[in-house]
Amino acid sequence: EAGVAQSPRYKIIEKRQSVAFWCNPISGHATLYWYQQILGQGPKLLIQFQNNGVVDDSQLPKDRFSAERLKGVDSTLKIQPAKLEDSAVYLCASSLERGRNYGYTFGSGTRLTVV
Amino acid sequence: AQSVTQPDIHITVSEGASLELRCNYSYGATPYLFWYVQSPGQGLQLLLKYFSGDTLVQGIKGFEAEFKRSQSSFNLRKPSVHWSDAAEYFCAVGAASGTYKYIFGTGTRLKVLA
Repeated sequence: EAGVAQSPRYKIIEKRQSVAFWCNPISGHATLYWYQQILGQGPKLLIQFQNNGVVDDSQLPKDRFSAERLKGVDSTLKIQPAKLEDSAVYLCASSLERGRNYGYTFGSGTRLTVV
Repeated sequence: AQSVTQPDIHITVSEGASLELRCNYSYGATPYLFWYVQSPGQGLQLLLKYFSGDTLVQGIKGFEAEFKRSQSSFNLRKPSVHWSDAAEYFCAVGAASGTYKYIFGTGTRLKVLA
């Protein structure tokens, strides 16, 4: 079974620029998550999709962050404009269904540096 | 709302020594509990999980964890550490309903001395 694919692996941008990250979950996984992991901290949930609908985006800074999951498969996370404090690893994870017996599978993440 | 505390930011052990990483959680019902490991530049890999049943859970790479409801703890243990275990370890608590989202602790970085 192929894992969760993310691209790019690394990105360096200047503040106020825009950036987009892409995630392809495991085939058949209905639930997709984007986490932000700042250096020295645990991952923090940004947004959760169930198929192509948003389940939880309570911690997504909606003035600059947006995410979509068209057709319930791939997802993109966008930041516009980026700030220095957005420097972090952005992790995508997927799960078979939203429920207790399904663990997450994480991708390798995209490391964003904002200078 | 759930929360997780990992009291130890860094732990150093000698290769072959035993290991215990602490995790305390807060949740109003029976939680789902997880331990993940993250090597440098890598994503998170699931070591083990607890949903219900036997409170001693076996995981991959020789790790185990024990759920203690009375202490709100889910400590990770390994009887003999290998140099390749050096990594960052995250405890997570999952909600048992609603969004089922996970909340992660701040992590414990493990260093292994040869």
